Amino acid sequence: AQSVTQLGSHVSVSEGALVLLRCNYSSSVPPYLFWYVQYPNQGLQLLLKYTSAATLVKGINGFEAEFKKSETSFHLTKPSAHMSDAAEYFCAVSDLGGSEKLVFGKGTKLTVNP
Amino acid sequence: KAGVTQTPRYLIKTRGQQVTLSCSPISGHRSVSWYQQTPGQGLQFLFEYFSETQRNKGNFPGRFSGRQFSNSRSEMNVSTLELGDSALYLCASSLAEGTGGNEQFFGPGTRLTVL
Repeated sequence: AQSVTQLGSHVSVSEGALVLLRCNYSSSVPPYLFWYVQYPNQGLQLLLKYTSAATLVKGINGFEAEFKKSETSFHLTKPSAHMSDAAEYFCAVSDLGGSEKLVFGKGTKLTVNP
Repeated sequence: KAGVTQTPRYLIKTRGQQVTLSCSPISGHRSVSWYQQTPGQGLQFLFEYFSETQRNKGNFPGRFSGRQFSNSRSEMNVSTLELGDSALYLCASSLAEGTGGNEQFFGPGTRLTVL
């Protein structure tokens, strides 16, 4: 079964600092990978996704992620944190076909300090 | 285009009761998935419906069931509620094109509290 591990349930950065949220997946073949963001009392919003077209994926709000097969990683980065980035971030993986099922990591709560 | 809507947004029930949650997907989306979100277990997949058929099911007891109608609207039902069923229930819809990797659009969720 596929699984996702997010290292660090809480990450705290200063405004303007680099954001790095870690995600490792387990899969026998390169899967589809996603990063979602959840603001308080809201549903999830897609930041970006990897579907094998390019290893460096750019998403919304200045976020990007790099797919590294050798490390089975898909870490999320943003060069300069903004106060509005404070939220919970989820990495997810899905199978190659036949279902839209997502397997999520436990989430990383990002705090941005002024 | 309207987003995914879920009703009701908040629900309080007592143990042993049953509950029905509703989800209206984005127009044109044929796949609807349900997820349970709790602080302890995180986000867990319940089931997915596509063209009125359950296409995939998570590891939940039979008390959890769902269905999809011809207009793609979906309902999920939980019978004989337990305290542990208290959670945020999220619905997501997608076009479900090709072999996967489709963006899923999430609703705001229904917050269920079981007393």
